[in-house]
Amino acid sequence: EVQLVESGGGLVQPGGSLRLSCAASGFTFSNFPMHWVRQAPEKGLEFVSSITPNGDHTFYATSVKGRFIISRDNTKNTLYLQMGSLRAEDMAVYYCARDHTTGWSFDSWGQGALVTVSS
Amino acid sequence: QSALTQPASVSGSPGQSITISCTGTSSDVGAYNYVSWYQQHPGKAPKFMIYDVTKRPSGVSDRFSGSKSGNTASLTISGLQAEDEGDYYCCSYTTSGTYVFGTGTKVTVL
Repeated sequence: EVQLVESGGGLVQPGGSLRLSCAASGFTFSNFPMHWVRQAPEKGLEFVSSITPNGDHTFYATSVKGRFIISRDNTKNTLYLQMGSLRAEDMAVYYCARDHTTGWSFDSWGQGALVTVSS
Repeated sequence: QSALTQPASVSGSPGQSITISCTGTSSDVGAYNYVSWYQQHPGKAPKFMIYDVTKRPSGVSDRFSGSKSGNTASLTISGLQAEDEGDYYCCSYTTSGTYVFGTGTKVTVL
């Protein structure tokens, strides 16, 4: 069974930094592109970032480009999202998601990690 | 990248069919057959419902079907059931190599 478990969420001040982790199990992590998707309180889903299976290519939403860095450690089956220069509008539940086997969609999701940006 | 446009809400009686539209541009929905749909219940993670416009993952009821014409994709739920209530989001791969989600539609079973 595919499992994705996010951790690292919490309260951070505006301008601060935080790193999210997503521990993957139940599949060959190194074969799959992985993604981060977020959802602000009472709002819709928003794509954040993607990374290719070996980490050589990354993609970002315009809203986070230059402030967030996606990475992965295939030896630890773990996906990361380093978030910097955090703003109030970054406050959201952050989900990690696995790419579908045929690509271009998200077939498995974690339970989410809440990031609160407030002074 | 602007969000894809979905109706805010759609409702129907049990047994009826409803359709949710998802309108984008030639840079996303119209560019590829890579539209997917997700169902979300309150406080839960999204659930994968449709991919590549029309395909259903294993375990998803055949009451759910997808289609696309030009820059607009659609999700149809036939034989509406109480458990179908929730929020539905479309998503498209884009020519920028990123993804864009729809604004979301709340489905209510009357």
